[in-house]
Amino acid sequence: EVQLVESGGGLIQAGGSLRLSCAASGFTVSDKYMSWVRQAPGKGLEWVSVIYGGGNTNYVDSVKGRFTISRDSSKNTLYLQMNSLRADDAAVYYCARGYYATGLFDYWGQGTLVTVSS
Amino acid sequence: QSMLTQPPSASGTPGQRVTISCSGSSSSIGSNTVNWYQQLPRTAPKLLIYSNNQRPSGVPDRFSGSKSGTSGSLAISGLQSEDEADYYCAVWDDSLNGPVFGGGTKLTVL
Repeated sequence: EVQLVESGGGLIQAGGSLRLSCAASGFTVSDKYMSWVRQAPGKGLEWVSVIYGGGNTNYVDSVKGRFTISRDSSKNTLYLQMNSLRADDAAVYYCARGYYATGLFDYWGQGTLVTVSS
Repeated sequence: QSMLTQPPSASGTPGQRVTISCSGSSSSIGSNTVNWYQQLPRTAPKLLIYSNNQRPSGVPDRFSGSKSGTSGSLAISGLQSEDEADYYCAVWDDSLNGPVFGGGTKLTVL
């Protein structure tokens, strides 16, 4: 059974850093196209970042240079390092398993909440 | 600001058929397949329709999808109270080189 479990969210001051984790089971993270998607309070879904099976990465413009997506094959875990956090980064962050060059995400985690205080 | 346009709200009574639209561009829906997600209150999104009109295992056939040109559409027939949720479309955008989501449609079952 495929499962994704996020952790690492919390309350952080603007300008600070957080690292989110997404532990996967039932499949191999390094074989798949894995993304982070966020949802600000009361708002819609926004794709944030992707790491491809080959290791290439991509980001939405608003987080480029501040966020870094990575994975640890030995732990079968996806990460999102978030630096220089801003108030508009506050959201529930979901990890999701996707497919190359599509908007298709077939499995989602339960989400982890990031709150940014100013 | 989402590059896929959905109506912010939709409604229907039990048993009715409702449709939700998703309007994009030549670089998004015009070139790629449309996917739909259902998000029940306080839960993670769930894949509802993929590749324009395919249902994952377990999704009732009351849900159907279609695409024409630069627009996609989700139809829900035999509306039920448990269908009350937010619905999002998502596609790959060639100009952004990434996936984009619609702004979401809140469906109310009256």
